[in-house]
Amino acid sequence: AQSVTQLDSQVPVFEEAPVELRCNYSSSVSVYLFWYVQYPNQGLQLLLKYLSGSTLVKSINGFEAEFNKSQTSFHLRKPSVHISDTAEYFCAVRTNTGFQKLVFGTGTRLLVSP
Amino acid sequence: GAGVSQSPSNKVTEKGKDVELRCDPISGHTALYWYRQSLGQGLEFLIYFQGNSAPDKSGLPSDRFSAERTGGSVSTLTIQRTQQEDSAVYLCASSRGGNEQFFGPGTRLTVL
Repeated sequence: AQSVTQLDSQVPVFEEAPVELRCNYSSSVSVYLFWYVQYPNQGLQLLLKYLSGSTLVKSINGFEAEFNKSQTSFHLRKPSVHISDTAEYFCAVRTNTGFQKLVFGTGTRLLVSP
Repeated sequence: GAGVSQSPSNKVTEKGKDVELRCDPISGHTALYWYRQSLGQGLEFLIYFQGNSAPDKSGLPSDRFSAERTGGSVSTLTIQRTQQEDSAVYLCASSRGGNEQFFGPGTRLTVL
């Protein structure tokens, strides 16, 4: 079975500051890793994913995450946040075979203030 | 193209009543998933359908919950004899290649 830990339930940050949202996972088999974002009153949107290859993956809006197998982590970073990045961010994992369910972390609420 | 759609967007019901929640997946997506998002439990997997295979029901919390998928497309999640702890946002997702799941906007269920 897989599990995901997001230790920070809420991260307040000022606009244009850097941010890191932490995600650690546990699994006895190889996994795929995902970050989803949920803006207020909206559904979940995929932000970025790691399936294989380069361990550093990037989104179109400036976020990036690095898969670290030895530390079983997939932390999300952005060098300079915007007010519009205020949202809840979920880290998720699934096994890398077949059509498998996603196991989600409890989410981190990013609050960006001016 | 059109994304995953769910209806109704909001549902208020009385304890003990049955409810049906509908999901229209993206056309051509063979896999369909139901999740539940609640304050106490976070995001939980409920059930998934893949083509004509038997569904994986391992996440359903009780036998009051059931789901079906007709014709490999639309899915209905049914909750019988609703309880207050069933109050949550029910999310549907679909997938074609199994790697990325596309989520619908969800149905907010409130059980009074």
